[in-house]
Amino acid sequence: QQPVQSPQAVILREGEDAVINCSSSKALYSVHWYRQKHGEAPVFLMILLKGGEQKGHEKISASFNEKKQQSSLYLTASQLSYSGTYFCGTSRQTGANNLFFGTGTRLTVIP
Amino acid sequence: ETGVTQSPTHLIKTRGQQVTLRCSSQSGHNTVSWYQQALGQGPQFIFQYYREEENGRGNFPPRFSGLQFPNYSSELNVNALELDDSALYLCASSRNTANTGELFFGEGSRLTVL
Repeated sequence: QQPVQSPQAVILREGEDAVINCSSSKALYSVHWYRQKHGEAPVFLMILLKGGEQKGHEKISASFNEKKQQSSLYLTASQLSYSGTYFCGTSRQTGANNLFFGTGTRLTVIP
Repeated sequence: ETGVTQSPTHLIKTRGQQVTLRCSSQSGHNTVSWYQQALGQGPQFIFQYYREEENGRGNFPPRFSGLQFPNYSSELNVNALELDDSALYLCASSRNTANTGELFFGEGSRLTVL
């Protein structure tokens, strides 16, 4: 039930854009995005619930296509602080107790 | 508001030993979830505790057990340690059990089994 993330790694220059994808073979109720910097705790970015909504968080936004069982995270005009590993976590039903996390996408932003 | 704190931050054990990891949840949170994160992998759900009872368990053997206390802090116990148990153990607290809310993670306890 672990979602698949792509790409596995990406290197950007400051100001460039990136898209990180998360797909599941099972129907999803919610998709959660977290960022983890090396040696630190994962930090919540956003949740997308069933309904195909798109959310924004400053220059980071995400979409959720429930029919395709996919979510994408969009990072625009990247900053050095965006570097880290991005994880999507998925939940298949309302009230579920746990998330299934992907293997992560390592994003490196260079000057 | 105090964040999620975990202890110890690092520890080394040998095969067959037992370990206890501790977690203090964020103020106002009654739910604690434990995840195992192997190097280069995403976190894997171990179990969740809600109001001092186990409320869901992932695909981990019974030698992984836990407790939650009246103040909502929690412990993860692992018996008969194996080399594959080497990982970062993350505790996350939340306001409720449903996965429609944010998980607040601690920085983890890094366990090395030799």
